[in-house]
Amino acid sequence: EAQVTQNPRYLITVTGKKLTVTCSQNMNHEYMSWYRQDPGLGLRQIYYSMNVEVTDKGDVPEGYKVSRKEKRNFPLILESPSPNQTSLYFCASSLETAPLRTDTQYFGPGTRLTVL
Amino acid sequence: AQKITQTQPGMFVQEKEAVTLDCTYDTSDQSYGLFWYKQPSSGEMIFLIYQGSYDEQNATEGRYSLNFQKARKSANLVISASQLGDSAMYFCAMRDFYNFNKFYFGSGTKLNVKP
Repeated sequence: EAQVTQNPRYLITVTGKKLTVTCSQNMNHEYMSWYRQDPGLGLRQIYYSMNVEVTDKGDVPEGYKVSRKEKRNFPLILESPSPNQTSLYFCASSLETAPLRTDTQYFGPGTRLTVL
Repeated sequence: AQKITQTQPGMFVQEKEAVTLDCTYDTSDQSYGLFWYKQPSSGEMIFLIYQGSYDEQNATEGRYSLNFQKARKSANLVISASQLGDSAMYFCAMRDFYNFNKFYFGSGTKLNVKP
């Protein structure tokens, strides 16, 4: 089954304790992206990756890191989480992006993170 | 500046009636794509419909259609014959030619379908 998986689905942690949210897709997609969803703000893009070893910042990258060492995996790293990073996080992938491409993104199930 | 604006935080519709969810966008590109997603209470994001800026016809997918008015920069989602299962958050999103790796989402509209 074609899917995007995220782990963990729920996480409660404390300020400053490094954490990683994993994301994996089995569709051989080139493009992957991370979003955070906050009430009243919709989804905001944190980082995206166009292919292995190619990543770039979205609109809200502060406090996050990513890496893309393999095509299928795109982990999101919070080196020193803070309470304002409490949010619902989504990973997404699509075949590729390029001007005029119509590919939609396929989303993972989401990770609800609480930072105390 | 806000790229995508959804001005209806919440809406109610009677079952079996049609409903329009508003979306306006801001871009200086001539080429761009517009997407609508549904997020049920379970949380997953479900792709509904896509409209390209150069598409001559409004997009349709089953009970979903897009009322695309390019000059007004609006891309409203129309759901015909609403069903109880349509109760969800709906997000409008865009990517444009210049920043084609970036996706911009609106703040969403929560639709409640009443029996």
